[in-house]
Amino acid sequence: EIVLTQSPGTLSFSPGESATLFCRASQNIVTSYLAWYQQKPGQAPRLLIYSASSRAIGIPARFYGSGSGTDFTLTISGLEPEDFAVYYCLQYDSSPHTFGQGTRLDIK
Amino acid sequence: QVQLQESGPGLVKPSETLSLTCTVSGGSINNYLWTWIRQPAGKGLEWIGHISTSGRTNFNPSLKSRVTMSIDTSKSRFSLRLTSVIATDTAIYYCARGEALYPLDVWGQGTTVTVSS
Repeated sequence: EIVLTQSPGTLSFSPGESATLFCRASQNIVTSYLAWYQQKPGQAPRLLIYSASSRAIGIPARFYGSGSGTDFTLTISGLEPEDFAVYYCLQYDSSPHTFGQGTRLDIK
Repeated sequence: QVQLQESGPGLVKPSETLSLTCTVSGGSINNYLWTWIRQPAGKGLEWIGHISTSGRTNFNPSLKSRVTMSIDTSKSRFSLRLTSVIATDTAIYYCARGEALYPLDVWGQGTTVTVSS
């Protein structure tokens, strides 16, 4: 099983700033089948990024995914008020698919 | 657009079986991997497993001995059964759509299941 470790656990930024979130895999994800999700309270997760760096339909360009192998990042440039949420990475390369434990992005 | 809706009892007694159904509307059920995920209150997401439209299943090893999934393509719905539930099975249960080479892109709103006597 591939274990995903997200860091940091919590981030605090002001609107307009940029934030970088990290997701490290315990094994090489050769296919780069790594996705990022945003979850707000009381809502289901929303797909932001797939295949490590491709934005899902309707996702603003300020969301940028990068990385390969075992290290992946999600960068959010110019934080908007609606971006403050919990973010999860998901690997869908091998079974069982696994999620990271999440990073909470708070307003400073 | 495609919408998913979970349904089932919100309360299940310990040692009994949790049964949920997800109904797909607004699009085809064919050629996707239909997935169940759960999330205990205030915690992270856990992939339970998926079923293809041909009925092929893949489960999380941590739950495999207690999980079954089924699909009824004629009614555009799929189901989850989790046997011998315990308190730690209490969670929000989501159904979602995925593909072999694409992650979960459409999610239901989630349904809360509490295991308690």
